[in-house]
Amino acid sequence: AQSVAQPEDQVNVAEGNPLTVKCTYSVSGNPYLFWYVQYPNRGLQFLLKYITGDNLVKGSYGFEAEFNKSQTSFHLKKPSALVSDSALYFCAVRDPNYGGATNKLIFGTGTLLAVQP
Amino acid sequence: DSGVTQTPKHLITATGQRVTLRCSPRSGDLSVYWYQQSLDQGLQFLIQYYNGEERAKGNILERFSAQQFPDLHSELNLSSLELGDSALYFCASSVGAGPQHFGDGTRLSIL
Repeated sequence: AQSVAQPEDQVNVAEGNPLTVKCTYSVSGNPYLFWYVQYPNRGLQFLLKYITGDNLVKGSYGFEAEFNKSQTSFHLKKPSALVSDSALYFCAVRDPNYGGATNKLIFGTGTLLAVQP
Repeated sequence: DSGVTQTPKHLITATGQRVTLRCSPRSGDLSVYWYQQSLDQGLQFLIQYYNGEERAKGNILERFSAQQFPDLHSELNLSSLELGDSALYFCASSVGAGPQHFGDGTRLSIL
C-alpha cells in the first residue's frame, strides 16, 4: 500500500540554525512528492513538489527538499530557521492508482516544527 | 490568501442532524478535493470532483456525499451526524493534477 511516514512528531531548532523535517515514502512507480505547511487555524499551504529532474527542489519561504530514491526519502530543509517557521508540516505523495486530472494525495501524520528564539 | 473560500468557518450542531459545507475553488480550477482532519485520524482524503464529475473517492462514509455544480463550487453534505464526525473539513482546488490550494476549513462540532 502507498504510504508516507514522518517519523518525528516534533522537531525543535534554535532560530538561525539549519532545520530538517524528515519524510519517507512507500509507493509503486515514480513518486510525485509534496510538502505543505499548516499554521494554526489555517488551511495547508503548498511549499514545494518533486515530480522529476533535479533531486534538490527549491520552494517557498526559503525551503528546499532533497529527493533520495535509494533511501525513499524526501526531507524538507532550510539553511536558517526563523521563529515564524514554527508550524505543522505535512509530507504527501500522489496516489499512483489515479492518473490524469487527479492528484489524490496521501499525507503523512505531520511534524510540528518549533523554532526557539 | 489561497483563493479557496469555505463557508461557514464554524458549525455547531447536534447528533443526528444534517449539515452542508460549501466550497468555492480558485478561479480557473476545475478540480475540488475534500479532506477531513482530526486528531485521531489525521488528514484524510474524502473525495475529488473534476469539472462536475466524481473523479476519486477515499475514506468517505456513506452518510457523507458531495457534488460539484456547473459554476464549479462544491458542497459536502454530512448526515446522521455522530460525535466522531467532529473535525476540520478542508476543501482544496487545483488546475488538473497540479498542486492543491486549500481553504481555511470548516470546523464542525457535534454536541
